[in-house]
Amino acid sequence: AQSVAQPEDQVNVAEGNPLTVKCTYSVSGNPYLFWYVQYPNRGLQFLLKYITGDNLVKGSYGFEAEFNKSQTSFHLKKPSALVSDSALYFCAVSELGDKFYFGSGTKLNVKP
Amino acid sequence: DAGVTQSPTHLIKTRGQHVTLRCSPISGHKSVSWYQQVLGQGPQFIFQYYEKEERGRGNFPDRFSARQFPNYSSELNVNALLLGDSALYLCASSFKDTEAFFGQGTRLTVV
Repeated sequence: AQSVAQPEDQVNVAEGNPLTVKCTYSVSGNPYLFWYVQYPNRGLQFLLKYITGDNLVKGSYGFEAEFNKSQTSFHLKKPSALVSDSALYFCAVSELGDKFYFGSGTKLNVKP
Repeated sequence: DAGVTQSPTHLIKTRGQHVTLRCSPISGHKSVSWYQQVLGQGPQFIFQYYEKEERGRGNFPDRFSARQFPNYSSELNVNALLLGDSALYLCASSFKDTEAFFGQGTRLTVV
């Protein structure tokens, strides 16, 4: 069975500081891993994905994520946070690139 | 190009009623999926359709049904609405083995 865990309900960071949002996964085959962001009362916006290849994946808005197979993790990172990055972030896994299993979400608060 | 469009954006229904939610995928996308997002939780998979055939179904009661039309648009139907069906319903379309693109969702409130 496929599943994703986001251990932090909320992450607080000061503007300009680096940020990390954690995600661990469990899949029975090769993982397709994704990060999405959700702003209030909106749908999900795609940030980045890992299918295969380099373990460091670069995505939209300066975000990147590091795939670690031995730790079954796919943490989202950004070198310098912006206040406008404040939103709800979801990690998702999809074994075949179709049905997605989402984590419970992490609320990112970036303070000025 | 237009993204995934969903209608209506908001809906208020009474317990026991029926509701139909609609979704138009991105042009060229043949896969449509439906998700339910209850406040404070991540989206939960309901259905996936590909080329008008059901490809997957999540752990939802038979009150939930869906279909996909020849133009790849889709409808999600929920019968005998319960208060617990109140949620944001998200539609996503994808081209096989790529990321899913989500619509803005339909906010359903059951009173």
